[in-house]
Amino acid sequence: EAGVVQSPRYKIIEKKQPVAFWCNPISGHNTLYWYRQNLGQGPELLIRYENEEAVDDSQLPKDRFSAERLKGVDSTLKIQPAELGDSAVYLCASSLANEAFFGQGTRLTVV
Amino acid sequence: GNSVTQMEGPVTLSEEAFLTINCTYTATGYPSLFWYVQYPGEGLQLLLKATKADDKGSNKGFEATYRKETTSFHLEKGSVQVSDSAVYFCALRNQAGTALIFGKGTTLSVSS
Repeated sequence: EAGVVQSPRYKIIEKKQPVAFWCNPISGHNTLYWYRQNLGQGPELLIRYENEEAVDDSQLPKDRFSAERLKGVDSTLKIQPAELGDSAVYLCASSLANEAFFGQGTRLTVV
Repeated sequence: GNSVTQMEGPVTLSEEAFLTINCTYTATGYPSLFWYVQYPGEGLQLLLKATKADDKGSNKGFEATYRKETTSFHLEKGSVQVSDSAVYFCALRNQAGTALIFGKGTTLSVSS
């Protein structure tokens, strides 16, 4: 069975441009997370979905970040406009019970 | 609030040496505790977990015991291999489904 799939793996954009990341969770997993991992740090939660509902978005910078999970399956995370400080690895994870499975992440570089 | 503190890295060891990576936590209630590993160029993978006090998680020769009295979950391995070189993250979760809270990670480098 495929794991959590994210795309793209790498993205380089100029500041002030928009960018979007896509995540396909493991089939049947109703919980989906987006994390951001800065260099040399652990992942930090941006948003958590239970099915199609965002149940924890307290750490999402809503002025420039948005996310959606249509039909409770795939999810997209968008940044508009991107800033230099948004350079990081964006991780998607999904879970059914107590264990979370992570994708390989999208490494974003804002120049 | 909830938090996880790991020992600073990098940790550099020779093959077959003993490994300890310290992890302590602050949490309300009775969290589940995890160790994740990130090999170069790969995503985070669950290494082991423990869901209640005194539980011992183990996998691939690694072990960690949930110590509520010292709020610790130290990772140990008796004999490391070059292939164990990776970044190790300690994490906690208060309730099933809620987000994991990670430490900053500890880089392990094992040389032959």
